[in-house]
Amino acid sequence: EAQVTQNPRYLITVTGKKLTVTCSQNMNHEYMSWYRQDPGLGLRQIYYSMNVEVTDKGDVPEGYKVSRKEKRNFPLILESPSPNQTSLYFCASSSRYEAFFGQGTRLTVV
Amino acid sequence: GEDVEQSLFLSVREGDSSVINCTYTDSSSTYLYWYKQEPGAGLQLLTYIFSNMDMKQDQRLTVLLNKKDKHLSLRIADTQTGDSAIYFCAGSGSGYSTLTFGKGTMLLVSP
Repeated sequence: EAQVTQNPRYLITVTGKKLTVTCSQNMNHEYMSWYRQDPGLGLRQIYYSMNVEVTDKGDVPEGYKVSRKEKRNFPLILESPSPNQTSLYFCASSSRYEAFFGQGTRLTVV
Repeated sequence: GEDVEQSLFLSVREGDSSVINCTYTDSSSTYLYWYKQEPGAGLQLLTYIFSNMDMKQDQRLTVLLNKKDKHLSLRIADTQTGDSAIYFCAGSGSGYSTLTFGKGTMLLVSP
């Protein structure tokens, strides 16, 4: 079964404490991306990766890092989280025509 | 870059048809998508249409594309309470890999 798996699903953390949200796909897709979803703003792309070791900024990259050491994994790293990064995060893995989304990670930074 | 606009809310009665509208700015968008998000869930691709098509029908769903007006619509026939969700229109302005989403239309279906 085609899957994009994000962990954790829910996370509450404090300002400044580094965290990583993991994302893994089993479809051998080259393209993966991260989005955040905020009320009234829809989904905005944070970072994307066209292939292993190839990453690039999306529309809202500030405060985030990513890495793509293997094709299946694309973790999102918040080195020093701040309250304005409280959001719902989605990882996506794309074929040519379709993006498959993970279930989402609801992050709260206090 | 691409900009995608949608109306924010639509309320219909069960059994009626629903029409959700979307406008986009990038005329070079190759693919246009409709995604559905149920409460607490991720995004589920409902359907997509290539820019060289005018219409696509898939069971209860009909997508209409007016390239001249850059207008996309999703019609849901015989709307059910299970169709209540947020619907996102999305376009790929620079290839399939970069999706620009609208803010989403919340569809509420009442019995």
